[in-house]
Amino acid sequence: IVLTQSPGTLSLSPGERATLSCRASQSIDNRFLSWFQQKPGQAPRLLIYGTSNRATGVPDRFSGSGSGTDFTLTISSLEPDDFAMFYCQHYDKPPYTFGQGTKLEIK
Amino acid sequence: QITLKESGPTVVRPTQTLTLTCTFSGFSLSTNGLGVGWIRQPPGKALEWLALVYWDDDKRYNPSLKSRLSITKDTSTNQVVLTMSNVDPVDTATYYCASAFIDFDLFTGYYRYYFSFWGQGTLVTVSS
Repeated sequence: IVLTQSPGTLSLSPGERATLSCRASQSIDNRFLSWFQQKPGQAPRLLIYGTSNRATGVPDRFSGSGSGTDFTLTISSLEPDDFAMFYCQHYDKPPYTFGQGTKLEIK
Repeated sequence: QITLKESGPTVVRPTQTLTLTCTFSGFSLSTNGLGVGWIRQPPGKALEWLALVYWDDDKRYNPSLKSRLSITKDTSTNQVVLTMSNVDPVDTATYYCASAFIDFDLFTGYYRYYFSFWGQGTLVTVSS
């Protein structure tokens, strides 16, 4: 399964709403998809698993949705600390592929 | 509190075998529903899943690298070891280990494992 994320770069201001897309080359059954945030020089941090479940400690401004081949990560109101790289990843069947990432930058 | 830490060589010569160790705490790999996986990230590039070992010693590998990879666990020392044979400069990357938790779908009965906590990563350079 190839995951294609869009846009490649998203330029927004704090307080705005961010919508990140992850499209799969074939249907991901049973909503087994995660989203990770990665800042420069750091390991990825789990935000969302099972398409829409927030990981422990993740603020509720982060939400995930979708099914089949189209998945979305939404950040309702951007905080300065949110600007980073975001990756989606499916864990339905091996190989557990990642998308190429969306860079969320400050406008 | 779950923590993981990768260790291993920083430089490996081409054609050699790379051995990486993940030492973790806060959980036991003998517990039903848990696993540990390895993921790598070449400089400036995206993430690539490599291998995963489950609590019951079942293992999964990325098919594109399967012939070169081996993953083992030692529950007595809380360690998972990944070996990669015949390394090449394209294998230069930061290597991460991550804990894997079971995700059980109550409606369908299907379950899979998602990566949750990650180690800080270790940069391995393949160069002569």
